[in-house]
Amino acid sequence: GAVVSQHPSRVICKSGTSVKIECRSLDFQATTMFWYRQFPKKSLMLMATSNEGSKATYEQGVEKDKFLINHASLTLSTLTVTSAHPEDSSFYICSASGGVIGEETQYFGPGTRLLVL
Amino acid sequence: AQSVTQPDIHITVSEGASLELRCNYSYGATPYLFWYVQSPGQGLQLLLKYFSGDTLVQGIKGFEAEFKRSQSSFNLRKPSVHWSDAAEYFCAVGPLGYALNFGKGTSLLVTP
Repeated sequence: GAVVSQHPSRVICKSGTSVKIECRSLDFQATTMFWYRQFPKKSLMLMATSNEGSKATYEQGVEKDKFLINHASLTLSTLTVTSAHPEDSSFYICSASGGVIGEETQYFGPGTRLLVL
Repeated sequence: AQSVTQPDIHITVSEGASLELRCNYSYGATPYLFWYVQSPGQGLQLLLKYFSGDTLVQGIKGFEAEFKRSQSSFNLRKPSVHWSDAAEYFCAVGPLGYALNFGKGTSLLVTP
């Protein structure tokens, strides 16, 4: 149980294009999902918190117009990198909060490697 | 403010030897603590978690961790390391249902 998927696992795009990354909780419902960014050999940096049916909450320094987050259902959140540039190249990981109430745990997706040329 | 410190950036152990990865936290309330493992190019897999109760927590893959409130620590241990345990290990703390605060990670290398 508690499986989170991400699609695509790897994407290469040209500078200026937009890329959408999907995060799905496969066997549980998640009212809250999180998007992280991870640079090589670094820890995870929280980008935003995504709540089903409401606007995402972005961390300081994260451009909300560049990183569009939509959480349309209890099992799906999407991150769209708009007008991507080479500096947006990174490893993006989502997580979904699930489990018994009072013992909620974050379960992570396998990540999406984005390379912007 | 909450924070997590993993003092060891890299650790090398021989296969079959015991392992201890250190984690210290700073948290204003009752901490909810987690250990995750990440293989290269992969997402994070939950090893174990501590919410309350018994301070010695058992996890998957033969790992365990001990919560010591007096030392603000949550160290991860394994009695006998396997080559497949080589990975990046992250300690995290956070309130339930909210984003986690991660340590910088410890890279484990296992030698033959």
